Amino acid sequence: QKEVEQDPGPLSVPEGAIVSLNCTYSNSAFQYFMWYRQYSRKGPELLMYTYSSGNKEDGRFTAQVDKSSKYISLFIRDSQPSDSATYLCAMTSGGSYIPTFGRGTSLIVHP
Amino acid sequence: EAGVTQFPSHSVIEKGQTVTLRCDPISGHDNLYWYRRVMGKEIKFLLHFVKESKQDESGMPNNRFLAERTGGTYSTLKVQPAELEDSGVYFCASSRAFDEQFFGPGTRLTVL
Repeated sequence: QKEVEQDPGPLSVPEGAIVSLNCTYSNSAFQYFMWYRQYSRKGPELLMYTYSSGNKEDGRFTAQVDKSSKYISLFIRDSQPSDSATYLCAMTSGGSYIPTFGRGTSLIVHP
Repeated sequence: EAGVTQFPSHSVIEKGQTVTLRCDPISGHDNLYWYRRVMGKEIKFLLHFVKESKQDESGMPNNRFLAERTGGTYSTLKVQPAELEDSGVYFCASSRAFDEQFFGPGTRLTVL
């Protein structure tokens, strides 16, 4: 079993839709949870960062962590074509600064 | 502020040849990391430099991979001899401390 599971998609939605991206994980030591956005031919860029369970909101983006279920989500409201990218979840344990990545989900927002 | 740069952007080589990838971190970032993404798989950690010293090289796949960081500035990752399974995208990242890592655009390596 992989440490972090993420559906690669692609996920195709119309402009304005609410997007839900998810990851599950198996290592209960993970405490820090990140979402990266990667545009084509670019490197991953940190989008959101949360610690432990709960929600964190930043503009149109909301990151949610449920440690009891080992499940994290990223919600994008009012999705735009410019949101089209690959979204990678990543997580670290308290004693490590090296993230364990999911495979990434390819998101396509069409006008 | 310039971001992390990597060279070349794409390299195509024959099995058995040698390839050297270069990474220039953000100025002032002591921490430099190498990662690799094989087609269809996750991004995997290779190694971490603090200045010129290897802090953690637990992700290096085998002794065909050699990483250096001359004078604590840019870093090179040499693959010698390259094998088919070495194909993938090699990312470099840098950070000031043990905090947010900034990634470069990657080098796409194809071994034929």
